[in-house]
Amino acid sequence: EPEVTQTPSHQVTQMGQEVILRCVPISNHLYFYWYRQILGQKVEFLVSFYNNEISEKSEIFDDQFSVERPDGSNFTLKIRSTKLEDSAMYFCASSERGVYSPLHFGNGTRLTVT
Amino acid sequence: DQQVKQNSPSLSVQEGRISILNCDYTNSMFDYFLWYKKYPAEGPTFLISISSIKDKNEDGRFTVFLNKSAKHLSLHIVPSQPGDSAVYFCAARDDSGGGADGLTFGKGTHLIIQP
Repeated sequence: EPEVTQTPSHQVTQMGQEVILRCVPISNHLYFYWYRQILGQKVEFLVSFYNNEISEKSEIFDDQFSVERPDGSNFTLKIRSTKLEDSAMYFCASSERGVYSPLHFGNGTRLTVT
Repeated sequence: DQQVKQNSPSLSVQEGRISILNCDYTNSMFDYFLWYKKYPAEGPTFLISISSIKDKNEDGRFTVFLNKSAKHLSLHIVPSQPGDSAVYFCAARDDSGGGADGLTFGKGTHLIIQP
């Protein structure tokens, strides 16, 4: 069964550094998402992406965050200058038809900011 | 601001019995609901969904019930199996924005199936 893959599985970075989290969505899916889960808290929506542009973003997704689909397969999340509170599990997801089709999640990247 | 609430952090059920996981929501614009299962060190795995125009959807051992007037949904697992031990998340989508709207998740319920 096709799956969403994320790399790396664990990223450690120093405060103020830039990080890029990478995702390969399921190939025939058109809608792409980033979510995060801070330890002990719920999964939170960050951003959705369709047709090469952001469709929706949450309050969390401020100017420090950006997303890109640099080629036909990858979908990236960049955090420009990481803060301690950015430490979390970041999940990429994709869906075939957006609103009424389920999201399929990758296994996540654990980001640790020191 | 908890728009999706799962009030039971954990639930223990004997193998073979029925597991019932509950979820309440406050946003009347939610019109599509999903249940996800999550194992440690893995991403959420989609289980079953229901549109607000229905009150029940069934897929094998999993059934989701939706009571719109009560803003309540539940996931029934029958019979419960050891592999069902995981954290279960209720999620909902707000139709008001259209397009690729993000999901709002509950905090999850840790289901433990006892042998």
